[in-house]
Amino acid sequence: NAGVTQTPKFQVLKTGQSMTLQCAQDMNHNSMYWYRQDPGMGLRLIYYSASEGTTDKGEVPNGYNVSRLNKREFSLRLESAAPSQTSVYFCASRGLGSYEQYFGPGTRLTVT
Amino acid sequence: TQLLEQSPQFLSIQEGENLTVYCNSSSVFSSLQWYRQEPGEGPVLLVTVVTGGEVKKLKRLTFQFGDARKDSSLHITAAQTGDTGLYLCAGVSNFGNEKLTFGTGTRLTIIP
Repeated sequence: NAGVTQTPKFQVLKTGQSMTLQCAQDMNHNSMYWYRQDPGMGLRLIYYSASEGTTDKGEVPNGYNVSRLNKREFSLRLESAAPSQTSVYFCASRGLGSYEQYFGPGTRLTVT
Repeated sequence: TQLLEQSPQFLSIQEGENLTVYCNSSSVFSSLQWYRQEPGEGPVLLVTVVTGGEVKKLKRLTFQFGDARKDSSLHITAAQTGDTGLYLCAGVSNFGNEKLTFGTGTRLTIIP
């Protein structure tokens, strides 16, 4: 089992460019999450999906969109990147009956 | 918005010393988790505490959940260089929803 995988690992964008961060899990988990991590601020929830076909906003959703493509995949899209979106982005998944979240290795995004 | 404040934010100690990290909130949580994150990787769950006053031990790590379920502590005995990393607490709210609230993090460095 690969667990949670994320692509790409690193990305540099110019202000105004768009991109999609990909996430996939092979643990048959129902719930998936996107977080951003900034120094001194822990992990902040951007969007989550409690099950296939549903998505909900987290703490910091502005400037992002998500798609739960199927049970395995949950993508995060930046339509018009801004320097404030420079961060490390983590995808996570969680199975039914457990509050443990399993995290991917992260995508380090820099917006210039 | 529920907040989890961790202290200290940074801690650097010699190998063999003891240390305690704190996680505090004004909100009640139904359970609280501790994660450890190493550079370039996602967080990994160490423990979940559920009952007020609960104490759990994981080798040299001792975790305690406050009686009122608003705070938690992590105590490490005889720290080793392998304990170096970012420690994050995360709370599950009393409302039974999907989301974790993450603390601000404690970056621990153990000096050989």
